[in-house]
Amino acid sequence: EVQLVESGGGLVQPGGSLRISCAASGFTFSSYEMNWVRQAPGKGLEWVSYISSSGSRIYYTDSVKGRFTISRDNAKNSLYLQMNSLRVEDTAVYYCARTYSGSFPPDYWGQGTLVTVSS
Amino acid sequence: DIQMTQSPSTLSASVGDRVTITCRASQSISNWLAWYQQKPGKAPELLIHKASSLESGVPSRFSGSGSGTDFTLTISSLQPDDFATYYCQQYNSYHLTFGGGTKVEIK
Repeated sequence: EVQLVESGGGLVQPGGSLRISCAASGFTFSSYEMNWVRQAPGKGLEWVSYISSSGSRIYYTDSVKGRFTISRDNAKNSLYLQMNSLRVEDTAVYYCARTYSGSFPPDYWGQGTLVTVSS
Repeated sequence: DIQMTQSPSTLSASVGDRVTITCRASQSISNWLAWYQQKPGKAPELLIHKASSLESGVPSRFSGSGSGTDFTLTISSLQPDDFATYYCQQYNSYHLTFGGGTKVEIK
């Protein structure tokens, strides 16, 4: 069974840092591209970042460029998002989602982890 | 980035109704369009990819159509389990973008 389990969310002050993780199981993690997608409370879905299966290609949405870093460890079947200089507007549930290739959309999503940025 | 405009934002319907949701892209995305269903407190679930290809296990009352810039999601006969929020998403670019969502409510 495909499973994506996010962890590491919590309450952080503006300007602070947090690293969230996504543990994958039930499929060959190293063959899949991965994304982080977030959803602010009561709002729609917003793509945050993409990483290729090898980690050689990475993209970010403009609002997080220079503050967030996506990475993966294929040996540990894990995806990460390091978030620095956090802002109140980064408050959201963060989902990891797998993609087989650019010819497919994200098909499986984790349950999400809530990141709250507040003083 | 490609902008996705979804309408309506809210839709009130009854069980058994035929429901249509539209999605428009700011530029041609060929058929690189997906539809998701999301229920409160849950992750989105993929219903349709490549504009009209139904995911395995998704009921046949769901269908998608369109190409280029204009797309539709149709539910032929609304069931109680279908009351949820629906999102379109383009994957023509690695910078994925989503429509604003359509909440399907009970009339």
